Amino acid sequence: DIQMTQSPSSLSASVGDRVTITCRASQGISNYLTWYQQKPGKVPKLLIYTASTLQSGVPSRFSGSGSGTDFTLTISSLQPEDVATYYCQKYNSVPLTFGGGTKVEIK
Amino acid sequence: QVQLQQSGPGLVKPSQTLSLTCAISGDSVSSNTVTWNWISQSPSRGLEWLGRTYYRSKWYNDYAVSVKSRITISPDTSKNQFSLQLNSVTPEDTAIYYCVRGWFPHGMDVWGQGTTVTVSS
Repeated sequence: DIQMTQSPSSLSASVGDRVTITCRASQGISNYLTWYQQKPGKVPKLLIYTASTLQSGVPSRFSGSGSGTDFTLTISSLQPEDVATYYCQKYNSVPLTFGGGTKVEIK
Repeated sequence: QVQLQQSGPGLVKPSQTLSLTCAISGDSVSSNTVTWNWISQSPSRGLEWLGRTYYRSKWYNDYAVSVKSRITISPDTSKNQFSLQLNSVTPEDTAIYYCVRGWFPHGMDVWGQGTTVTVSS
């Protein structure tokens, strides 16, 4: 099975900073990569699908890129409401494996 | 809009069966375009996709290898819902369980509220 590895596992940044999270697949998955945001105590929320397409209603400061095995999620200007854990998930075929998550905090 | 409402017990004894139900509103369990999934979340295992059911002229199921021998996900068209059964549970199965709609290639766009299930005697 394809493994999904996220880095870093956690980060702390200041409001307004540019934040980048990486997700790596152990084999190529084309662009079938989805990103989720899970705020503390809440249900995960779909942010970005097919690696770079923003889900409706998601702020434009979020962006995604990548194809094949290497993907990134970028928050262009970190806001206090972005404190959350972010997960990637492969969506090309089963099993629909998630990455281990990246916890984003405000410095 | 589409909503998923979960129900089921929060406490299950070891070796017994975990059973959860997910009632769908705003969509159909028999839809030809989406899938109906169960996902667990625990501190030790993170988010884990457990399996799915879906209809494409007939019913299909896919399961994670880690639970394949113990899991059944089944649709109930009369009630527009789907269910999870996980047999022979152990404390390792203690987790939050979510029912989720999947929509290729978008991902999982609608989530139930989550059910915390504790496996303990």
